Amino acid sequence: AQKVTQAQTEISVVEKEDVTLDCVYETRDTTYYLFWYKQPPSGELVFLIRRNSFDEQNEISGRYSWNFQKSTSSFNFTITASQVVDSAVYFCALSSTYTGANSKLTFGKGITLSVRP
Amino acid sequence: EPEVTQTPSHQVTQMGQEVILRCVPISNHLYFYWYRQILGQKVEFLVSFYNNEISEKSEIFDDQFSVERPDGSNFTLKIRSTKLEDSAMYFCASSERVAQHFGDGTRLSIL
Repeated sequence: AQKVTQAQTEISVVEKEDVTLDCVYETRDTTYYLFWYKQPPSGELVFLIRRNSFDEQNEISGRYSWNFQKSTSSFNFTITASQVVDSAVYFCALSSTYTGANSKLTFGKGITLSVRP
Repeated sequence: EPEVTQTPSHQVTQMGQEVILRCVPISNHLYFYWYRQILGQKVEFLVSFYNNEISEKSEIFDDQFSVERPDGSNFTLKIRSTKLEDSAMYFCASSERVAQHFGDGTRLSIL
């Protein structure tokens, strides 16, 4: 069975602070994908990143960076110099490659990030 | 940029009524999904669909639920006899391979 744990439920920071959102996953699969999605107050789910379990290189995209560590089953997300527009719920998700390309996503409970001006 | 389109954005229905939620996936995508999110909770998988048949379904997706791709563009979720606990945001997603792109969701309110 697959499981995603986002132990932090709510984080509040002041604008321009850096913030790290933690994600720990469990899976018996040897190959899998990890994702982060953003859900702003308007409710839609916005795809941020996908990471293959074979690729442990960290990734940076602008103010966003992701740290994938297979040894600790973690896929953490850091926002540098946070902005008010970053306020949202952030979900980490996991999918298996076992059943093929259309494997379901297993989501964590989400982290509510509030960035205060 | 192509996107997944869901209609309606908000649906209010009496308990026991049938409801159909509609989705237009991204045109070159082959894999389709429905998820739901009860208010304040995590997103839960309902069903995946490929090549005109269900690939996988969750325990939530019981006999009251069905999916259909009636033509080349639409992908629908039908709930036959709605219950109060079906009130949730329903998300459609599609993928070409692995990365699933979500629609803006339909908020379903059962009275």
